Amino acid sequence: KQEVTQIPAALSVPEGENLVLNCSFTDSAIYNLQWFRQDPGKGLTSLLLIQSSQREQTSGRLNASLDKSSGRSTLYIAASQPGDSATYLCAVFQGGSEKLVFGKGTKLTVNP
Amino acid sequence: EAGVAQSPRYKIIEKRQSVAFWCNPISGHATLYWYQQILGQGPKLLIQFQNNGVVDDSQLPKDRFSAERLKGVDSTLKIQPAKLEDSAVYLCASSLGRWEAIMNTEAFFGQGTRLTVV
Repeated sequence: KQEVTQIPAALSVPEGENLVLNCSFTDSAIYNLQWFRQDPGKGLTSLLLIQSSQREQTSGRLNASLDKSSGRSTLYIAASQPGDSATYLCAVFQGGSEKLVFGKGTKLTVNP
Repeated sequence: EAGVAQSPRYKIIEKRQSVAFWCNPISGHATLYWYQQILGQGPKLLIQFQNNGVVDDSQLPKDRFSAERLKGVDSTLKIQPAKLEDSAVYLCASSLGRWEAIMNTEAFFGQGTRLTVV
C-alpha cells in the first residue's frame, strides 16, 4: 500500500528565505507526482507535475525534483514571500490502481 | 476552460440527518474523484469513477455513504445518516483519464464543501 510522508509538518521562515519541502513515498511504481497548494478554506491548486521519467520541473520561483528510485521529491521555493503562506501537499499518481495518494501536507508560514 | 464546480460551499447539519454534495467536473474529463479531508490531514480518497463506472470505493463507508455518476458527467455524494466524525471538507477532482496520456495525468480540484455535523 502506497504511503506518502511529508516533512516537516509545519515550517515558519522570514520573508526572502529560500526553502525546501520534502515528500517521500514507499512504492516507486508511480506515473507522476504532483505538488499542490491549499489556502485555508479553499480547494487544491496544482503547482507542478513531474512525470516519473522526469527529474525536475520549474515554474517561476518553484522547482520540484523527483528521485523515483529512492522515493523522494522536493519542492524548492526561492525568495519566499508572505503570499506563499499556505499548506503544500504532494500526491503520487499510483501505477496499476491509478489512484492519487496524498501526504498530510506541510503548513508554510512566511513572516514579513 | 471552466474548472471543477462543487456545491454547496458550506453545510451545517445535525447528526443523523442526511446531506448531499454535487460536483460537475471539467468538460471531457473521464475520471472523477471524491476525497474527504479532515482538518490537519491530507485528502483521503472515498471513491473514484471512470466515466460512470466505479474504479475504487474501498475506503467509502458504504453503510452511510453513497455516490453516483449518472451519464458519466456530474456526480453526487450522499451521507445518510451523518455522524459527528463526518465533519470535514469534501473535495471533488477530475482528470482526463486517457490511457495514452496517463503519464501526464493531472488532477484538478474544486473549491470543496465544508461539512459541519453538530
